[in-house]
Amino acid sequence: QKEVEQNSGPLSVPEGAIASLNCTYSDRVSQSFFWYRQYSGKSPELIMSIYSNGDKEDGRFTAQLNKASQYVSLLIRDSQPSDSATYLCAVNSKAGNNRKLIWGLGTSLAVNP
Amino acid sequence: DAGVIQSPRHEVTEMGQEVTLRCKPISGHNSLFWYRQTMMRGLELLIYFNNNVPIDDSGMPEDRFSAKMPNASFSTLKIQPSEPRDSAVYFCASSLTSGYTFGSGTRLTVV
Repeated sequence: QKEVEQNSGPLSVPEGAIASLNCTYSDRVSQSFFWYRQYSGKSPELIMSIYSNGDKEDGRFTAQLNKASQYVSLLIRDSQPSDSATYLCAVNSKAGNNRKLIWGLGTSLAVNP
Repeated sequence: DAGVIQSPRHEVTEMGQEVTLRCKPISGHNSLFWYRQTMMRGLELLIYFNNNVPIDDSGMPEDRFSAKMPNASFSTLKIQPSEPRDSAVYFCASSLTSGYTFGSGTRLTVV
């Protein structure tokens, strides 16, 4: 059973701090990795994708991928109260032409003013 | 771009009734996904279509659930008969390359 694991949280950080969210996956052939943000009562929205080992930065967000250790992380710099949400990690193995994503249960983040 | 459009936004129905959820994907996207989300189980993939053809329906809970995609711009998810344990938020998502765009979801309550 292919799995994606995340700490459920809640992760609580003060405003302006760095929030670090982690995700591990079991399928070694996984090739595409995504972070989605979901506000309460809303649908998930894609905030970052990463495909190669290393870091990928987009504004205050940095995704980090380490395929050897099978983990992917999301750093949020200068955290704002508006970042308070559940962050979902998703992984795609692309076995054949499979577009199916395997999802973690999400980490709840609370940024305190 | 109007995004992925789902209807209805909320549905309350009695046990045993038929429920039909609708989805219009983003124009040009060739993959469509139906998900169910609950607190306990998170996001569960029910079925996905590629170029209107069902590719993986292994997540469909049982024969009470069925999905169709008659053309590139429309899909339905039907539950017949509905049961209280079907209560959840149902999301439709579409994709062209990688990553999905989700619709706003349908909150289904079966009483």
